[in-house]
Amino acid sequence: DAGVIQSPRHEVTEMGQEVTLRCKPISGHDYLFWYRQTMMRGLELLIYFNNNVPIDDSGMPEDRFSAKMPNASFSTLKIQPSEPRDSAVYFCASSFFGGRITEAFFGQGTRLTVV
Amino acid sequence: ELKVEQNPLFLSMQEGKNYTIYCNYSTTSDRLYWYRQDPGKSLESLFVLLSNGAVKQEGRLMASLDTKARLSTLHITAAVHDLSATYFCAVDNRNSGYALNFGKGTSLLVTP
Repeated sequence: DAGVIQSPRHEVTEMGQEVTLRCKPISGHDYLFWYRQTMMRGLELLIYFNNNVPIDDSGMPEDRFSAKMPNASFSTLKIQPSEPRDSAVYFCASSFFGGRITEAFFGQGTRLTVV
Repeated sequence: ELKVEQNPLFLSMQEGKNYTIYCNYSTTSDRLYWYRQDPGKSLESLFVLLSNGAVKQEGRLMASLDTKARLSTLHITAAVHDLSATYFCAVDNRNSGYALNFGKGTSLLVTP
C-alpha cells in the first residue's frame, strides 16, 4: 500500500477563497483523522471518522470548516471562507481496529498558506 | 480531557551522550505512542506501548511505559546526528475513539 495520500502538498490561497484538502486513507483502515499542526498550538485533532461516519468534530474550529467522507477511500476537509489564521499544516491519518487498534499512519500533509 | 506533557521541549546534546525525554499524561489511557517528525515531513511511528512495564527498543532509542505513574520515557543512547528531529508522544483512549492526543513535542538537536 502507498500509505495515506494527501493532496495537494502545498496550497497558497487568498483570504476569502474556498480551500479543499483531500485524503486517501490506507485501504482497509476504518478510522480516519484530520489534524492541524501549528507552531503555537502543536498538533490538534479536528475531526475523526469511523467507517465513513463523523464521530467527533468538536475540534473543528469554526463553521467555516467542514469535512466529509463519502466512501472508505476518500475524505475532504474544506475551509470556506479561508482566513490567514488558517495557515498551518493539515495532516490526515488512518488506522485500523481489528480487535486491537493499530497506530495511526500519517499522510505527508498539506501546507496551507492563506495570504 | 486527555492532557499530555513532554519535557524538555528543546534538547541540544552532543554526539555520544545519553539522554531521556519524559512524557506525562493526565488520565487513564489505552496506549502510548512515540512518533518522530523531521522538519517539513510527516510523522513516523516509532513505538506503541500497550501495557504497564512495556519496554521497546529500536537502535539507539528505547521507550518504556509506567501506567501507574502515567509516565513514558524515551531514552537515547549514544546519540548520533541522524537522531536530530522532533519527537512526539501521544496517548489514546477508547472513550475518544482512539484519536491521538499529542504532547507539544521535543525538538532534539544532536551536535558533533
